[in-house]
Amino acid sequence: QTVVTQEPSLTVSPGGTVTLTCASSTGAVTSDYYPNWFQQKPGQAPRALIYSTSNKHSWTPARFSGSLLGGKAALTLSGVQPEDEAEFYCLLFCGGAWVFGGGTKLTVL
Amino acid sequence: QVQLVQSGAEVKKPGASVRVSCKASGYSFTTCTIHWVRQAPGQRLEWMGWISAGDGNTRYSQNFQGRVTIATDTSASTAFMELSSLTSEDTAVYYCARQPALGVFDMWGQGTMVTVSS
Repeated sequence: QTVVTQEPSLTVSPGGTVTLTCASSTGAVTSDYYPNWFQQKPGQAPRALIYSTSNKHSWTPARFSGSLLGGKAALTLSGVQPEDEAEFYCLLFCGGAWVFGGGTKLTVL
Repeated sequence: QVQLVQSGAEVKKPGASVRVSCKASGYSFTTCTIHWVRQAPGQRLEWMGWISAGDGNTRYSQNFQGRVTIATDTSASTAFMELSSLTSEDTAVYYCARQPALGVFDMWGQGTMVTVSS
């Protein structure tokens, strides 16, 4: 069964830039994996940010962007705000099933 | 606006089954796929399966094969997830999420806490 791996934790300063990545145990992540990214704050349901690698929802702040980077899916936050502190999950379509990554806890400090 | 509203918290005994509902509004129910995802306390999100609301086709995660059933009542714009043979490891928040097109996840339900305890 496919394992999807994310950085367990990252720390960024307010106003800074940070990139979160999402790797698949089966090999390089491509657009065929339809990477999705979600933000989850404590006690809340996940909120969708990015779909199909790099597409934003109407509510996604402009400072969030998605891409493919070095065989992984990536989520970049530019000009990080204190309210961006949260857990971020990627989701990949792997062999007919969907698999979540383990999540990245982003601390803004 | 698009909304997914889930049923309330449940407490079940080991070995029992639980059924969680997800009522959709604000869009044409049969045009989208509904996924079910769970999150045990302090753990990652875990995909359970999906149902195509238009034709009723389903696909389940191997982790839940044989224990989970996802269905819809299109007349009520509602999706259901039933999980059987519950153990304490099934204690989690269960979410429904909408997929309006291939590769696109957008709206989520508010979550339903299921507690399995003797």
